[in-house]
Order: sequence, then structure tokens, then C-alpha cells
Amino acid sequence: AQSVTQLGSHVSVSEGALVLLRCNYSSSVPPYLFWYVQYPNQGLQLLLKYTSAATLVKGINGFEAEFKKSETSFHLTKPSAHMSDAAEYFCAVRSQGNLIFGKGTKLSVKP
Amino acid sequence: DAGVTQSPTHLIKTRGQQVTLRCSPKSGHDTVSWYQQALGQGPQFIFQYYEEEERQRGNFPDRFSGHQFPNYSSELNVNALLLGDSALYLCASSLHDLYEQYFGPGTRLTVT
Repeated sequence: AQSVTQLGSHVSVSEGALVLLRCNYSSSVPPYLFWYVQYPNQGLQLLLKYTSAATLVKGINGFEAEFKKSETSFHLTKPSAHMSDAAEYFCAVRSQGNLIFGKGTKLSVKP
Repeated sequence: DAGVTQSPTHLIKTRGQQVTLRCSPKSGHDTVSWYQQALGQGPQFIFQYYEEEERQRGNFPDRFSGHQFPNYSSELNVNALLLGDSALYLCASSLHDLYEQYFGPGTRLTVT
């Protein structure tokens, strides 16, 4: 069965600092992986996706993620945090056409 | 280009009642999936509709049912509501089951 694990339910960074949100996956087949962002009282917005092409994936709002098969990881990074990045972030793996989500990581950005 | 829309935004129901939530997919999309997101949790897959048929189902009881119309819009019905059904219900659409699913803003259901 496929699954994702997000390490750290809450991450706090200062404005301008590096953002690193961790995601590890378990999959018996080459995975399709996604990062979504959820702002308070809103739905999910797709940040980026990995579909077995380039291992370094660039997304919206300056985010990127690197697929590392040897580490079964798909961590999300952004070089410089902005106040507007404060939100909850979900990693997901595609399973038979649908998505299995992690429990989410809430990102706080301090001024 | 309209994205995924859901109605209503918020809903309050009493235990034992029935509720219907509605979803219109993104223009050009033909597949609709429903997810339940409990407070503080990630979304969990309920079921998926394609060509007006339920194609896949997650681990949810039969109290949860759905429908897809010829225009690809969809309804989620929940019977005999329990307090534990209180959650944000998210609809997502896609073209067939290809990679990306686009999510609507959700319907917040509160069961009292």
C-alpha cells in the first residue's frame, strides 16, 4: 500500500530564512507525488508535482522539491520565506487515480 | 475559466439528518473525487465518479453515497449523520484520472 509521512506537524521559520518541509513516501511502484498548500478556510492549491520526469521539480511561489528514490523522500523547499507562505502544506501520493495525503505540516513565518 | 465550485459553503445539521453537498468541476474536466478532511488532518478519499458511475471508493460506510450528472457535476449525500461526520468536504476534479486534481474551496459541515 502507498503512503506518505510528513515529519513535523509544525515548522516555524523567520522571514527570509530557508523553508524545508519533509515528506517520505512508501510505494511499491514508481510514485507520482504532489505538494498542496491550504490557506485558512480554503481548499487545496497544487504547488508542484513529480511524475517521473526531472527529479528536481519547480512549482509556484518559488517552491521546489527534489525526488530522491534512494531516500524515498520528496522534501519541499523555498530559499527565502515570506509572510504570505504561512499556511498548511500537504504531501500526497497518487494511488490508483486518487490521492493519499499526509497529515500536513503547518508553516509559521515570523517577522 | 471557472475553477471547481462547491455549495453550500457552510452547513449545520443535527445527528440523524441527511445532507447533500454539490460540486461543479473545472471546465473541461470529467472526473470528480470527494474527500473528507477532519480538523487537523489530511484529506481522506471518499469516492470518485467518472462517466456517471462510482469508479473507486475509499474506506467509508454506505451512509456516504454520490452521484454524477451528465454535465459532470456531482453530489455527495450523507445519511444518518453522526457527530464524527463534522468535517470539511472537498471536491476535486481532473481530466480522467490524469495526474493533477484541482480542489474546490470545500463545504464545512457541522453536525450537532
